[in-house]
Amino acid sequence: DAGVIQSPRHEVTEMGQEVTLRCKPISGHDYLFWYRQTMMRGLELLIYFNNNVPIDDSGMPEDRFSAKMPNASFSTLKIQPSEPRDSAVYFCASSPQVYEQYFGPGTRLTVT
Amino acid sequence: DQQVKQNSPSLSVQEGRISILNCDYTNSMFDYFLWYKKYPAEGPTFLISISSIKDKNEDGRFTVFLNKSAKHLSLHIVPSQPGDSAVYFCAASSPGTASKLTFGTGTRLQVTL
Repeated sequence: DAGVIQSPRHEVTEMGQEVTLRCKPISGHDYLFWYRQTMMRGLELLIYFNNNVPIDDSGMPEDRFSAKMPNASFSTLKIQPSEPRDSAVYFCASSPQVYEQYFGPGTRLTVT
Repeated sequence: DQQVKQNSPSLSVQEGRISILNCDYTNSMFDYFLWYKKYPAEGPTFLISISSIKDKNEDGRFTVFLNKSAKHLSLHIVPSQPGDSAVYFCAASSPGTASKLTFGTGTRLQVTL
């Protein structure tokens, strides 16, 4: 299995631009999670899906952030408009069951 | 509101010695705890876990201890190896939201020769 796939691995964009991060979970996993990693706050859960349905989006910082999961093999996290404080590493993870999650390699986002 | 805290941002240990990484939590509802390990430019990977009905779980060189009364858990690595150098995250889950993990800020472990 290829594991969780994220693209792009690196993204540099200017403030105000739209950013779309992509994730392909491990086949057969029912849960998909989006996290943001920063030095100050560590790994923060932004949103998670169960069977393509958003379950908890309380971690989404603002209306500028949105996430979708149109099918079991694809999810996107969109930031529009982006701001410098959104600069972080964004991880996608999937899980076949409770507790143990499998993480992708992350997308390093830099907003200038 | 940081419900899971790792107060030591970094730790340096000599190869062959014991590494002890600590984690404190504030939410008494947490009933399952996990440790993840993260290398640079990679995503975190699951290392070891413990349920609140236990106070110790061991897997090879890695042992996790849970002290519920103190709301404290620790990860022991014995003996430490250079390949253990990484960032270690503590995570916790509560009943009814088992799929949702709350992570700490991480501790960077450096194992020196």
